[in-house]
Amino acid sequence: DIVMTQSPDSLAVSLGERATISCKSSQSVLYSSSNKHNLAWYQQKPGQPPKLLIYWASSRESGVPDRFSGSGSGTDFTLTISNLQAEDVAVYYCQQYCNIPLTFGGGTKVEIK
Amino acid sequence: EVQLVESGGGLVQPGGSLRLSCAASGFTFSNHWMHWVRQPPGKGLMWISRMSSDGGSTAYADSVKGRFTISRDNAKNTLYLQMDSLTPEDTAVYYCGRTQGPFNLWGQGTLVTVSS
Repeated sequence: DIVMTQSPDSLAVSLGERATISCKSSQSVLYSSSNKHNLAWYQQKPGQPPKLLIYWASSRESGVPDRFSGSGSGTDFTLTISNLQAEDVAVYYCQQYCNIPLTFGGGTKVEIK
Repeated sequence: EVQLVESGGGLVQPGGSLRLSCAASGFTFSNHWMHWVRQPPGKGLMWISRMSSDGGSTAYADSVKGRFTISRDNAKNTLYLQMDSLTPEDTAVYYCGRTQGPFNLWGQGTLVTVSS
């Protein structure tokens, strides 16, 4: 199984500042036939299902504000929230969709400082 | 409207069974691979099972293999999860999800509580 390790577990960021979340996979999630990384990021607010933010490690889902960006390659990936807004308070998860079983990181809780 | 709506959750005793349903609407259900993901209260997300678009291929997490069975009825646009031999560790919100690579559509979830 591919283990996804997120850090930190939580972080508090001032409004308008940047939040950076790390996700490391225990093995490569590069899909050779497409040369794309099968890595997604989701946002989950209390009482709601997860919402897809980023796929292929760096492609933003339609309708997601451009302050959300994804980067990385190999086994190291990052979600960056620039200009943090109050509505960004949530738990963020990374997920690999390269291999079964699909696996998620443990989540990172983002709060306002 | 494109949506997934889960139902069938509730309180069940240890050792009992439950069948969850996930009704799809607003898109061509039979074109998509479908999954179940669960989330214990206050914890993270865990993938449980997936079924191919035509129902010919399934996969399960080790923790539910042999106890849970995924199925679908493409004529009824519905995904199912039959859960047997339930334990308290199965207590969670159960989500169905549609994938096109990543999960691009989730239901609102249904709560399953296993307790005596």
